[in-house]
Amino acid sequence: ETGVTQSPTHLIKTRGQQVTLRCSSQSGHNTVSWYQQALGQGPQFIFQYYREEENGRGNFPPRFSGLQFPNYSSELNVNALELDDSALYLCASSFLAGDTGELFFGEGSRLTVL
Amino acid sequence: RKEVEQDPGPFNVPEGATVAFNCTYSNSASQSFFWYRQDCRKEPKLLMSVYSSGNEDGRFTAQLNRASQYISLLIRDSKLSDSATYLCVVALSGNTPLVFGKGTRLSVIA
Repeated sequence: ETGVTQSPTHLIKTRGQQVTLRCSSQSGHNTVSWYQQALGQGPQFIFQYYREEENGRGNFPPRFSGLQFPNYSSELNVNALELDDSALYLCASSFLAGDTGELFFGEGSRLTVL
Repeated sequence: RKEVEQDPGPFNVPEGATVAFNCTYSNSASQSFFWYRQDCRKEPKLLMSVYSSGNEDGRFTAQLNRASQYISLLIRDSKLSDSATYLCVVALSGNTPLVFGKGTRLSVIA
């Protein structure tokens, strides 16, 4: 167990709806990253939060947004859902000052958009 | 060209076999290299970091060739429990976002 928990584990939405996914990071970790993993693909970086500020963003449109809270937990929000947003959304925590490159992933939230 | 490219799978091997996975990366400024393992419908987990001098962890050996921008993972004496998807991962530094390959699926058969 990594200590990173995500909710919900599964959800189904329809096109145009909005979704909020939640993540509690591992104790002692101050950085949260979100990744999208489509079926048969590797995880793709969405963005990273450090001390409640966005600290890097991948090639995702603005309808993907996030928040990090003082307790380092985080949310990923996706507006105007599209069919291609169907994927496993992975949250990962780390300690930014560390240099091991190891991310501790949660089990993910599996989103299906119909 | 994709940032990280891996051998297409799946690899189906008998128990006890030796299997090698290859990976190439496009950004020559990359500094950090890893292999992650992902079991079916589970999250990725770090298998091992890859160092310039090569490194070994039990049955697993990782190699890095910076000149060729090539990374490899060798698994000796395959076990049924090695069945998983192996993800090649690259980063510009330890603190920058990880870039994952598509992964190569390994099935070890009794």
